[in-house]
Amino acid sequence: SAVISQKPSRDICQRGTSLTIQCQVDSQVTMMFWYRQQPGQSLTLIATANQGSEATYESGFVIDKFPISRPNLTFSTLTVSNMSPEDSSIYLCSVGDRADGELFFGEGSRLTVL
Amino acid sequence: AQSVTQLGSHVSVSEGALVLLRCNYSSSVPPYLFWYVQYPNQGLQLLLKYTTGATLVKGINGFEAEFKKSETSFHLTKPSAHMSDAAEYFCAARGDTGRRALTFGSGTRLQVQP
Repeated sequence: SAVISQKPSRDICQRGTSLTIQCQVDSQVTMMFWYRQQPGQSLTLIATANQGSEATYESGFVIDKFPISRPNLTFSTLTVSNMSPEDSSIYLCSVGDRADGELFFGEGSRLTVL
Repeated sequence: AQSVTQLGSHVSVSEGALVLLRCNYSSSVPPYLFWYVQYPNQGLQLLLKYTTGATLVKGINGFEAEFKKSETSFHLTKPSAHMSDAAEYFCAARGDTGRRALTFGSGTRLQVQP
């Protein structure tokens, strides 16, 4: 298993600003993913964070809006840029190198945009 | 593309009653299937998973699920509900071996009445 720490755990932000969420893992992992959970909704994959290369984004998500860094095998950041109220969500970092695909999740970062 | 369908966004049972949460998947390849639980203001915790082998899978907290290929289902059950089982439950799947991320269902909120 892996222990994942996310910062901040929650924040309230103003429209038009940007926020960077950090994800720290207690062990080296190859596969790291960022998910979004909008209020009352399920989890939607934003991107796969690749160490040493650009992130791979899912349809509907773009790098300009959600830039991701992955400087090493234990750390990643997700930035939510030029925020609007529609970006109010829980953002979850997850990791998983197991062959069966099991993912481990951080506690999430709850973002409210006013 | 992989998809996961959870029937019933809300399920309410009485304490001590049977819990049945439904999940169906679509996949062109044999899937890996998961059930996660999310308690309020927390991240996701794995309840159980099916990879290969025995189709009846036992998980934590008395939950179990049965993989039925003919029905493309992976329903979650617990013989006797407890108040502490009240949470959001997500079914997830990984079907494409080239895609490491999980696809999640829409979630089912379980309420347990005293």
